[in-house]
Amino acid sequence: DSGVTQTPKHLITATGQRVTLRCSPRSGDLSVYWYQQSLDQGLQFLIQYYNGEERAKGNILERFSAQQFPDLHSELNLSSLELGDSALYFCASTKGRGISTGELFFGEGSRLTVL
Amino acid sequence: AQSVTQLGSHVSVSEGALVLLRCNYSSSVPPYLFWYVQYPNQGLQLLLKYTSAATLVKGINGFEAEFKKSETSFHLTKPSAHMSDAAEYFCAVRLQGGSEKLVFGKGTKLTVNP
Repeated sequence: DSGVTQTPKHLITATGQRVTLRCSPRSGDLSVYWYQQSLDQGLQFLIQYYNGEERAKGNILERFSAQQFPDLHSELNLSSLELGDSALYFCASTKGRGISTGELFFGEGSRLTVL
Repeated sequence: AQSVTQLGSHVSVSEGALVLLRCNYSSSVPPYLFWYVQYPNQGLQLLLKYTSAATLVKGINGFEAEFKKSETSFHLTKPSAHMSDAAEYFCAVRLQGGSEKLVFGKGTKLTVNP
């Protein structure tokens, strides 16, 4: 158990809909990262927050947004969903602003299926 | 731009045989390199990391990796495969600057045959 909690574990929805994925980082970790894992693209970095502030953006679509709340949990909002958004979405956390020589601790992921 | 390439999306070995998973990196400066493992229906877990100290790095579960600058490689090995090693393995490089985020390879799925 990494200490990172993601909900829901599975989600099935229709095209055009909006969903919210939630992540609670490990106790004491201030950075939250979101990754998307799909068969064709592999693991793609989406966005990082550190202590409530957006710190880095990766290949995140404009239809997607995220935020980190004062209690440090984070939410990833996916809207106007398309079939291609079906993927496993991982949240990871770490203590500092970046990875440095440390490691990322990953949750078990939220599997999104768009029909 | 920094990146990693994993050669072979699937590797199959017999139980007790040597495991060799290949990773080559591209970086203009000395990188930090990582191997992560993903067991079925689980998140990724750090196996080992290279952070410019010793070039031979030992990790968990008997795995080790050697950083070879001349070959720009960071291959993962284990002398004797166990059934429980069946998983997907990801090589990753740390991008410098800003958030120092990780860039992952496409992954190699390891199958261990009895």
